[in-house]
Amino acid sequence: GAVVSQHPSWVICKSGTSVKIECRSLDFQATTMFWYRQFPKQSLMLMATSNEGSKATYEQGVEKDKFLINHASLTLSTLTVTSAHPEDSSFYICSARDGLDEQFFGPGTRLTVL
Amino acid sequence: LAKTTQPISMDSYEGQEVNITCSHNNIATNDYITWYQQFPSQGPRFIIQGYKTKVTNEVASLFIPADRKSSTLSLPRVSLSDTAVYYCLVGDRRNSGNTPLVFGKGTRLSVIA
Repeated sequence: GAVVSQHPSWVICKSGTSVKIECRSLDFQATTMFWYRQFPKQSLMLMATSNEGSKATYEQGVEKDKFLINHASLTLSTLTVTSAHPEDSSFYICSARDGLDEQFFGPGTRLTVL
Repeated sequence: LAKTTQPISMDSYEGQEVNITCSHNNIATNDYITWYQQFPSQGPRFIIQGYKTKVTNEVASLFIPADRKSSTLSLPRVSLSDTAVYYCLVGDRRNSGNTPLVFGKGTRLSVIA
């Protein structure tokens, strides 16, 4: 099946700094990508829908100015956590939809904010 | 999207068959039932999808009764490596356009030696 990668796989940063997470579809083009957040022992929560060449659509309660999403090409979407705080520590997972509308998930990025 | 209800957790010994049932009373005519598996610190992985009756692949079987208000994921002869969280999702098969996959709480399966 199609492969989705994320980089980095884990990151530790200081409070107040910004962190960028990349999501790539390696062998297919993805018009639409999704970003999820998962806290320990909880389910995946959808944060936003990212469409290539247009603004992302954020779920209710997700601050668009804090979680900046850029989908500049058909194989790359980035999530930037701006001015990160300890409560932003979480597991961030992206998914990408291929030409057959199948959805594939990345391996996730563990963010720890000190 | 139809809401799903699953047991929060299940325990099983190695070598046993495990059946995880999911309730989806409000399933729509066009909805398919899809199961995902998630290991700790990894993204979800597709296991199986079905519409009615029975579907089987190399990993699992999916049983869906005629009324489609529930479904059962069957894992034959589980091993320790099957310890994971299993999610039941209900929605349009292709989830076309901008419709994302919406996850419920899932079932945490623990396989014991």
